[in-house]
Amino acid sequence: DTAVSQTPKYLVTQMGNDKSIKCEQNLGHDTMYWYKQDSKKFLKIMFSYNNKELIINETVPNRFSPKSPDKAHLNLHINSLELGDSAVYFCASSRLVGSGELFFGEGSRLTVL
Amino acid sequence: GDSVTQMEGPVTLSEEAFLTINCTYTATGYPSLFWYVQYPGEGLQLLLKATKADDKGSNKGFEATYRKETTSFHLEKGSVQVSDSAVYFCALSEKGGSEKLVFGKGTKLTVNP
Repeated sequence: DTAVSQTPKYLVTQMGNDKSIKCEQNLGHDTMYWYKQDSKKFLKIMFSYNNKELIINETVPNRFSPKSPDKAHLNLHINSLELGDSAVYFCASSRLVGSGELFFGEGSRLTVL
Repeated sequence: GDSVTQMEGPVTLSEEAFLTINCTYTATGYPSLFWYVQYPGEGLQLLLKATKADDKGSNKGFEATYRKETTSFHLEKGSVQVSDSAVYFCALSEKGGSEKLVFGKGTKLTVNP
């Protein structure tokens, strides 16, 4: 049973398109995150939700919009995709606020052509 | 802001060699420190952590000691295996409820038989 699952695992699309990545966790955690990993493996937080409420919103273009329909799901919608959006996007969850102990999904590799 | 600096990779070792991956941090408060590991094609997994000065985190033969005086959290293993080949990330989380994990740039380790 996968603890944090993301779909799709791979996504290839054209510039200007809109796409979504879905994330679900079955760990009963209250807090979920989106991280972006660039081609040099550098990881940066994008968003964090605690119990469906946005608590971290880093300097991310407003083309990126997270949505949390319930505390087990955190989806990421990206409008007007650009070449620079190509990356691996990781969803994660944690049980305790501020614990730093995150459980990551396997990642969604987005390629924008 | 807070930051983490890791030694540049990649690191290539023979099986049973001694491993050290250096990590230093800059933080205004008293952060918790972590090592995460990313195996090929997978998401990150927590390897070990330390929450206060002089704490030693350990797991799977890996160790790291929280050194406040040198602001370091170096990862060590006495005898690496081929299965340890992965990318290793040092990270910090500020105390006081911060939700953000700040990651270093990762160090790729390859262990040859």
